[in-house]
Amino acid sequence: QKEVEQDPGPLSVPEGAIVSLNCTYSNSAFQYFMWYRQYSRKGPELLMYTYSSGNKEDGRFTAQVDKSSKYISLFIRDSQPSDSATYLCAMSSGGYQKVTFGTGTKLQVIP
Amino acid sequence: EAGVVQSPRYKIIEKKQPVAFWCNPISGHNTLYWYRQNLGQGPELLIRYENEEAVDDSQLPKDRFSAERLKGVDSTLKIQPAELGDSAVYLCASSPPRDRGPRLLGEQYFGPGTRLTVT
Repeated sequence: QKEVEQDPGPLSVPEGAIVSLNCTYSNSAFQYFMWYRQYSRKGPELLMYTYSSGNKEDGRFTAQVDKSSKYISLFIRDSQPSDSATYLCAMSSGGYQKVTFGTGTKLQVIP
Repeated sequence: EAGVVQSPRYKIIEKKQPVAFWCNPISGHNTLYWYRQNLGQGPELLIRYENEEAVDDSQLPKDRFSAERLKGVDSTLKIQPAELGDSAVYLCASSPPRDRGPRLLGEQYFGPGTRLTVT
C-alpha cells in the first residue's frame, strides 16, 4: 500500500464548476499537507499548505485536512481554463523533512 | 528573483551511455533536492543536500547514479550507464535556509526539469 493515494483522473469539468480533489494517506506521522500544481512540461509549484487539521482558504482555493480520517482535499471554486493542470498532494512529518507526493490528478477545465 | 535553473531541458541517449544533469538553485537557498518523476507519478526524492553535504541519499541507486554539489551552490546528477528504466523527468528543487521563512515548511521551489529518454 502506498503511503499517499490519489486518483489520477483525468477530471474534466466545465468552466465555473467547483472542483474537489482528494488524497488519502496511511502515515499518522504526517503533519504538513501541501498541494502542488504542475503545468505540462513544468516543475511543480506550491499552491497551498496546511499544518495539522483544519481548513485554509486562499482566493478560489480551499484546502481541508481531516487527520482523523487521513483525508485531505483541495477545492477550487469558479474553475477557470487556466486551472487545467495536474494537482499533486504532498505530505511530510515535519518542516524540512522528506516530502511524499501523491501521483497527481490531471484536471481539465473546459471553456 | 530567478527561479531554479536546470539544463539540459531534454536529453535523448542510448542505453549504456552516460548522462549528466545540471541544476542551479535559487540564490541563497542552501538546501537542494533531486527528484525523479516517472510518467503519471509524483516526484520521488533521490538525494537532498544541505550546503555541500548529502543528508539523505537513501533513495539514490548508487550503483549507477552519482551526485555532487562541490561548492554548495549548483549541483550535477549523473547516470552511468543509463538503462531504459531511467527514462523520466529529473527535477531539481531548492529551499531557503532555516533562519528565514517559511521556516517550518522548508518550502521547495522546483525547476522545470530535464526530460530524459533512454532508447
